[in-house]
Order: sequence, then structure tokens, then C-alpha cells
Amino acid sequence: DAKTTQPTSMDCAEGRAANLPCNHSTISGNEYVYWYRQIHSQGPQYIIHGLKNNETNEMASLIITEDRKSSTLILPHATLRDTAVYYCIARVGGKLIFGQGTELSVKP
Amino acid sequence: ETGVTQTPRHLVMGMTNKKSLKCEQHLGHNAMYWYKQSAKKPLELMFVYSLEERVENNSVPSRFSPECPNSSHLFLHLHTLQPEDSALYLCASSLGSGGAGETQYFGPGTRLLVL
Repeated sequence: DAKTTQPTSMDCAEGRAANLPCNHSTISGNEYVYWYRQIHSQGPQYIIHGLKNNETNEMASLIITEDRKSSTLILPHATLRDTAVYYCIARVGGKLIFGQGTELSVKP
Repeated sequence: ETGVTQTPRHLVMGMTNKKSLKCEQHLGHNAMYWYKQSAKKPLELMFVYSLEERVENNSVPSRFSPECPNSSHLFLHLHTLQPEDSALYLCASSLGSGGAGETQYFGPGTRLLVL
């Protein structure tokens, strides 16, 4: 599985868009990009995943660059409840390998 | 609610005790997983079951013994644990275990403290 790199922490103002970057420069053609988040001491929550195309669901949007070496998770209108650790994972096969993630703090 | 439940939510045990963690999924999935998350560390995959057969064991000590009696239930039997085994133990399930596009759904976890 490709290694992913994320900033350790980010702040976002409530109501603004939160853009969380992820680098996965060694990703291979069949590896999906997954995003999960973990609110303190709870189980990780699935957010979104994609392979090549941009994706959108009720929680977020995922923008994957054309060369697939990086991606951005967008929370369009961040709320205080979006404060969590966000994990970007490049995955092939059944394994999810979690890194340290980005700690997002949404502030009033 | 993700459709994956875990009991108990909190557990305190001595090093000589035997206890079991239970996971149940109501999603009709065929694969189930155990993860361990120690304080300030990323999640570590422990075991993977697919159609009730263990397909992965990531060098986990034998004091942790998994059991999957059917595709909806997964247990983690604990005996003679060490204080460093204190952690959040998470269960997850997915429709299958072989596809990169198969999403895993996590339970709330069991917070274990070993004294």
C-alpha cells in the first residue's frame, strides 16, 4: 500500500469549507484513496473513497489530481462536530493501513 | 450507528483474568476485523476473518485469541494480558475482504484497561 502524507493539524472556522490535503505520490493504478475520521475515542467513521474521478456524497467531496499523486477532502460547511482526526489511506486489497492523520479543529 | 456493535464498551481486568470482547454486525457482511489502537498511536490491524475463516493474523501474541462462529459475530478472547495491552479495541466489517473498493464499517470500540 502506498504511503500517504498529511499535515499533522489544521484549523477551520465554523461555517467555512475545510480542505484537507493528502499526498500519495507512490500510489499505484489500482489503489483506492479512502478517507475516514475519528472523533475522540470513538470508532473511525467512513467518509468517502475514490479511484480516479472526483467523488461527492452527503458528507464531503473528494478531489483527486489527474496524476493521482494527491487528493483533497472538502467539508463544504464545517461545523464544530467535524472536529476530529481525519485519515487518508491508499488501499489495495483488503487492508486499511492507518497513519497519524490530520487533527482538524473547527473553531467558532 | 454503523450497524456494528461492540460489548462491553469499557472493561477493566487484572493480568490473571480471562475475558472476552464481542462484536456483532447487522449489515449482512462476510468479513470482520479486529484492530487495536493504543494511546496516541494509529490503528493496528490484528485479525481478519472472511466467511468465518481467519485469513490474516498480524503477529498478534497468543494471549489474544479470536473466534468467529458465524459471519455476524466476532469474539476476542483475552487471557493473561499485560498492562501494555491496555487500548481501544475496534471491530469492523465489510461486504468482502478482497476488494480495494470494499468499505469497512467500524464499531464504537471497547476501552480496555489491564491492571
